[in-house]
Amino acid sequence: SAVISQKPSRDICQRGTSLTIQCQVDSQVTMMFWYRQQPGQSLTLIATANQGSEATYESGFVIDKFPISRPNLTFSTLTVSNMSPEDSSIYLCSVERPLGSGEQYFGPGTRLTVT
Amino acid sequence: AQKVTQAQTEISVVEKEDVTLDCVYETRDTTYYLFWYKQPPSGELVFLIRRNSFDEQNEISGRYSWNFQKSTSSFNFTITASQVVDSAVYFCAPDKAAGNKLTFGGGTRVLVKP
Repeated sequence: SAVISQKPSRDICQRGTSLTIQCQVDSQVTMMFWYRQQPGQSLTLIATANQGSEATYESGFVIDKFPISRPNLTFSTLTVSNMSPEDSSIYLCSVERPLGSGEQYFGPGTRLTVT
Repeated sequence: AQKVTQAQTEISVVEKEDVTLDCVYETRDTTYYLFWYKQPPSGELVFLIRRNSFDEQNEISGRYSWNFQKSTSSFNFTITASQVVDSAVYFCAPDKAAGNKLTFGGGTRVLVKP
């Protein structure tokens, strides 16, 4: 498994502002993933973040709205930009461990409420 | 693209009863993984089991067992002798073997009453 931490654990933000969520892993990983879970819904993949390259976004998600950084092999950030109440969700990062296993382990999530 | 259907939105049982969660998936991939995850009320997502598409042998791990039928694209999950701590939302998720992109089903909420 992997030890993954996220900051902040929760936040309440005003519409029009931006929030950056941090994801820290206890050891180096090749790929990190960002998911969104809207209230009462399932999880949806936002993007895949590889170190040293631009993130790959899924259909319906764009870099301007969800810019991602991956400065090293243990850390990534997701920014939710120009927030609206529809962005209220739990945002989770995950990593594949061990490499090639397909097993993904998730951080505890960041619960975002936009007012 | 992959699609996952968990037809049961909520299941309520009494402690010690068995619970079987259904999962039917659609995929064009010939090789893939199948996963079950658990999300307790605290919100974190917990990895439970993984299955490879080329291995249809069903297994038991403690109180968990699963039934993978590739011919019907089903990957059902059973909790034996349920406990209150099993109360959670359970997600089925197939994954492209080389893509590592989990596609989550809608989830089944399990409520185990004492």
